[in-house]
Amino acid sequence: NAGVTQTPKFQVLKTGQSMTLQCAQDMNHNSMYWYRQDPGMGLRLIYYSASEGTTDKGEVPNGYNVSRLNKREFSLRLESAAPSQTSVYFCASSSPSGPSSFLYGEQYFGPGTRLTVT
Amino acid sequence: GNSVTQMEGPVTLSEEAFLTINCTYTATGYPSLFWYVQYPGEGLQLLLKATKADDKGSNKGFEATYRKETTSFHLEKGSVQVSDSAVYFCALSGGSSASKIIFGSGTRLSIRP
Repeated sequence: NAGVTQTPKFQVLKTGQSMTLQCAQDMNHNSMYWYRQDPGMGLRLIYYSASEGTTDKGEVPNGYNVSRLNKREFSLRLESAAPSQTSVYFCASSSPSGPSSFLYGEQYFGPGTRLTVT
Repeated sequence: GNSVTQMEGPVTLSEEAFLTINCTYTATGYPSLFWYVQYPGEGLQLLLKATKADDKGSNKGFEATYRKETTSFHLEKGSVQVSDSAVYFCALSGGSSASKIIFGSGTRLSIRP
């Protein structure tokens, strides 16, 4: 049981390049999330998917797109990377789906992807 | 809107010392409160939670009590170990933030042997 896995672990991009961060979970969770973590700012929600087939914007969605490929996988795409997107990105999952998964806050996190945009 | 404020770090203590990490919140309605822990190189893990006023969450020797009158959820441990070195995040959800978890900025804790 691997939990939540993320690839890659590290990535360096030049301004304007694109890339996709991959996330997969094997816990049969309905809901999945993407956060970014910046020094002194805690975690900020980028996008989330309450259930397969749905996605919604979080607090800081600009510059990102997401795809819920199936129940297991939730990818985050940067179409044209900018230095302001240098951060550590975390994927998380939880169950049950919908607002109650936030209410009790029991999210399971991946190990993170450290992205640098030069 | 809802927010979480926690004490700035880093906090450095000797092994077996008493730990307090302060957390206060601003929220409308009745949020649930959490402490998450992040060990070096890993993602966050839920440490403990409390879902209503006066509830005490506890795990691995850590405790926190949901104090509505002071809007606080301070994390405490009676005797810390080197293995407790990590970053600790206070968080809330529910109330007017029913669809989001709001995280504090994190407090880095280092324990000296």
